[in-house]
Amino acid sequence: DQQVKQNSPSLSVQEGRISILNCDYTNSMFDYFLWYKKYPAEGPTFLISISSIKDKNEDGRFTVFLNKSAKHLSLHIVPSQPGDSAVYFCAARDSGNTPLVFGKGTRLSVIA
Amino acid sequence: ETGVTQSPTHLIKTRGQQVTLRCSSQSGHNTVSWYQQALGQGPQFIFQYYREEENGRGNFPPRFSGLQFPNYSSELNVNALELDDSALYLCASSLGVGQGNEQFFGPGTRLTVL
Repeated sequence: DQQVKQNSPSLSVQEGRISILNCDYTNSMFDYFLWYKKYPAEGPTFLISISSIKDKNEDGRFTVFLNKSAKHLSLHIVPSQPGDSAVYFCAARDSGNTPLVFGKGTRLSVIA
Repeated sequence: ETGVTQSPTHLIKTRGQQVTLRCSSQSGHNTVSWYQQALGQGPQFIFQYYREEENGRGNFPPRFSGLQFPNYSSELNVNALELDDSALYLCASSLGVGQGNEQFFGPGTRLTVL
């Protein structure tokens, strides 16, 4: 039973355009959400997070939106750059001492 | 500041064998979490160690065990290897166990079981 779902295995975007990566979750106890980026032969790198008390968090070119009623979050990258090409993982956890639950990831390709 | 390191990078074993994977946490970090990432899947939590004690465990059988040492480095041991244990094993360290403590991941150990 997948609690965190990333339904798009891959996404291709032209350089300079917006990339939108989506994530859905089923566990209503989740209240902290994170996005990680992973390059080949490297471990996942933390990108941005959002607490359930917010609906938007922005860090430079990266913005995460949270829609609690829909149990949906999205990561927007504007403008997309070739260096953004990587696998992006959505992760979630609740307020207790529980581990991160990851989605399967979305492979983003930014084409120059 | 040294990041999270893992050894070995790659490992090939046969069914039934035992394996030990190692992780050195980032300087100052007292918490280590281990994850298994099978092909095409996201990382799946195995267990976490906080100040040398197991502090949570995922849905993995007892043949997956671990240790954390006084310097906060850690080992993951897997006994009686099965073909399905073939995966990338990721270690992550953090300053603590709370929600705001960002996890820093190592590059992983790629285990192949034949």
